Amino acid sequence: DVKVTQSSRYLVKRTGEKVFLECVQDMDHENMFWYRQDPGLGLRLIYFSYDVKMKEKGDIPEGYSVSREKKERFSLILESASTNQTSMYLCASSTPQVSGNTIYFGEGSWLTVV
Amino acid sequence: RKEVEQDPGPFNVPEGATVAFNCTYSNSASQSFFWYRQDCRKEPKLLMSVYSSGNEDGRFTAQLNRASQYISLLIRDSKLSDSATYLCVGRIYNQGGKLIFGQGTELSVKP
Repeated sequence: DVKVTQSSRYLVKRTGEKVFLECVQDMDHENMFWYRQDPGLGLRLIYFSYDVKMKEKGDIPEGYSVSREKKERFSLILESASTNQTSMYLCASSTPQVSGNTIYFGEGSWLTVV
Repeated sequence: RKEVEQDPGPFNVPEGATVAFNCTYSNSASQSFFWYRQDCRKEPKLLMSVYSSGNEDGRFTAQLNRASQYISLLIRDSKLSDSATYLCVGRIYNQGGKLIFGQGTELSVKP
């Protein structure tokens, strides 16, 4: 069974802390994505990566960075957490194929910054 | 203007009703479209892809009109278990295959 795993499901962090959200996929997918989801705003793309060590900014990259040192792992980093980063974070992975849908989501990481 | 727009609802319908969701998109580079279903506090899951010719999967029918940049989802004979948020999604392949999500339409099916 294919899998995208977000290791931290529920986190509570203090303002100013550095936060790492880890995502691992076991499908050998080239593309990986980080989204955040907030009520009334839907899912918004933070960063994505289409290859190891490659990254592209999404729609809301401010306050975030990412790391993709290995194909299977895509990490989201909050350098200095702020309360407006309290949200649900979703990782996804996919192949770059044009046809069909081969996108898989992790179960989400609920982050609260106090 | 959002790239993918949906009526957020909520749609409150009785069991057995037919309900239709609409979605518009502004980025003509979007090449593929999907409907995802998301249950409360869960990750989105693919409901169905959307094709220009229209496609059906049981009680669900999806339609894409590229000329009008419009996507629809029709649910017939609604079940209580259909209660969820339905997300309209476009995929842009010349931008790394990223998904662009609408804000979702909430459906509540009542007995």
